[in-house]
Order: sequence, then structure tokens, then C-alpha cells
Amino acid sequence: GQQLNQSPQSMFIQEGEDVSMNCTSSSIFNTWLWYKQDPGEGPVLLIALYKAGELTSNGRLTAQFGITRKDSFLNISASIPSDVGIYFCAGGTSGTYKYIFGTGTRLKVLA
Amino acid sequence: EAGVAQSPRYKIIEKRQSVAFWCNPISGHATLYWYQQILGQGPKLLIQFQNNGVVDDSQLPKDRFSAERLKGVDSTLKIQPAKLEDSAVYLCASSLSFASRDYSGNTIYFGEGSWLTVV
Repeated sequence: GQQLNQSPQSMFIQEGEDVSMNCTSSSIFNTWLWYKQDPGEGPVLLIALYKAGELTSNGRLTAQFGITRKDSFLNISASIPSDVGIYFCAGGTSGTYKYIFGTGTRLKVLA
Repeated sequence: EAGVAQSPRYKIIEKRQSVAFWCNPISGHATLYWYQQILGQGPKLLIQFQNNGVVDDSQLPKDRFSAERLKGVDSTLKIQPAKLEDSAVYLCASSLSFASRDYSGNTIYFGEGSWLTVV
């Protein structure tokens, strides 16, 4: 099945640094969702984006719905050890309520 | 508000045995999804229900996998017979799925997953 491309695949960062990751697609979506998955748990919704160009924040997290509707970006500011995990994007199509997930970005924070 | 409930959380079976997973979505959510997540990969859709009808089961290996949502609420995913490559997390998710101008009814929420190991 199709998966969206996420970049980077994995990253090590120092505590306190800012993190950026993105998700790209060849298809247009009208919803972008970002999730975090901890080991042994299901994905937890972080941010939902519903409009092209939209910029939405959730605490230290900020996500943007790309203007072309084919990409989305997630930024984490001042990273902390509990930010460790796998971050997934998902692109959705209204009407069908169908979602395609990205390949994931694995984040490791060095204290 | 209660989240998506799944059981069992963990299951170990031998190949060629059968297994069933149960999901109870968030109350009032019309759409229910089953995803398969193999270690190191993102979730991949197996089947999508809208109320008690199947919307998409194109990625469901129908020779061994089956799923039902008889009353439009709970759902069961069954694997029979299991293969080694079926070892994965089986994630259930649900969505309100109503048409709204801001698409907010599209957001999907996941359960904790059912972790299957086939030996």
C-alpha cells in the first residue's frame, strides 16, 4: 500500500534544540494529521490541520499545512527527553475519510 | 470521553493458528479503521467501515483475514490461518466522519493496539 515520504527518517538531537520534519506526497490532501507513537503504544494525535497554509500550534509543537496541499511540516521547539518517539504524518481525503500514513521520523533526544 | 478500546493487548500464537482482535470505537464515531503496523513502518490500512458497511478492503488479505462490524459499533478482525509475516501491531481507529466546512469531523483517533507475535 501507498505510504507518504517523511524526512528525516531518524534524528539524534541535543536536549533544548529545535526539530523540524516534513511529509510529502504526490497526491493532494485536504486534511493533515500528525501523531506521536511511543514504544508499545498506539499513535496519539498531536495536531490536526484542515486548511491549506494553516499554521497550528500545540505547546512546543507547530505544524503547517503546505500551500500546495501536497506536504506538511512539524516543528518541535526546545526539545526535551520525553519527545523521544516516532512521529507520523497522515494525509486525508474528505468524503472518503481515507488516510495514508507516512513512513515515520524516529526522534532521539540526548540529554 | 472514553477512547478507542482494543483487546487483547498482546497475543502470541503459532503459525497456522487463528486469532481474533476486538475493537470498540469512540461513542458516536461512524467510521472504523483497522490498520496493520509492522515494526519500523507506518500504519497501513487493512479495512475501513462506514457504520456497518465496508468502504475499502482492497489491502485486506482476504484468503486469511476477515473483519466485521455487524451493528455499526464494535468490530472484530480475525486471522486464520496465521503466518509468520502477520506479526505486527493491529491498530483500530475511529472517526466521527461528518461533512463539515472545516473538515474537523475527519480526525481519526487510535486505540493502544493489539500486538501479535506469530512463532
